[in-house]
Amino acid sequence: EAQVTQNPRYLITVTGKKLTVTCSQNMNHEYMSWYRQDPGLGLRQIYYSMNVEVTDKGDVPEGYKVSRKEKRNFPLILESPSPNQTSLYFCASSSEYSNQPQHFGDGTRLSIL
Amino acid sequence: EDQVTQSPEALRLQEGESSSLNCSYTVSGLRGLFWYRQDPGKGPEFLFTLYSAGEEKEKERLKATLTKKESFLHITAPKPEDSATYLCAVPGGNEKLTFGTGTRLTIIP
Repeated sequence: EAQVTQNPRYLITVTGKKLTVTCSQNMNHEYMSWYRQDPGLGLRQIYYSMNVEVTDKGDVPEGYKVSRKEKRNFPLILESPSPNQTSLYFCASSSEYSNQPQHFGDGTRLSIL
Repeated sequence: EDQVTQSPEALRLQEGESSSLNCSYTVSGLRGLFWYRQDPGKGPEFLFTLYSAGEEKEKERLKATLTKKESFLHITAPKPEDSATYLCAVPGGNEKLTFGTGTRLTIIP
């Protein structure tokens, strides 16, 4: 089954404790992306990647890091999380470019205390 | 800067009452426009892609249309299971993707 898998689905942690949210897709997609979703602000793109070793900033990249060492994986790293990063996070992938339909994971709800 | 504005923010309809959702956009060089459906606690689910003005796509009770400045999602004779948040998005020339804030649709039986 074609899917985008995120882990963990839920996480409560404390300010400053480094964390990684993993994202993996099994569709051999080139394009992968991370979004955060906040009430009233909608989905905002954090980082995206066109291919292995190629990453670019989205609209809200501050406080986040990403890497794309393999085509299927695109982890999101919060080196020193802060409460304003409490949000619902989605990973997505598409076959080649941003103008192809995105397949989304089920989301990761992060709470930073 | 690419911008996407959706209206209304929320819409409540009686079952069977048809209506339309609006998505207006500003982007330099349209490369497509997406519609997604999102259920509570889930990731967005792809509905349609429209690539050029005048294009229309249909799926069950939903029909999406596109002009040079906006897109409409028409819902005909909706059922309670059509209740969801509907999102539109446009890709930018730099491969970024910009989403609107969505329309929360509630269909009352």
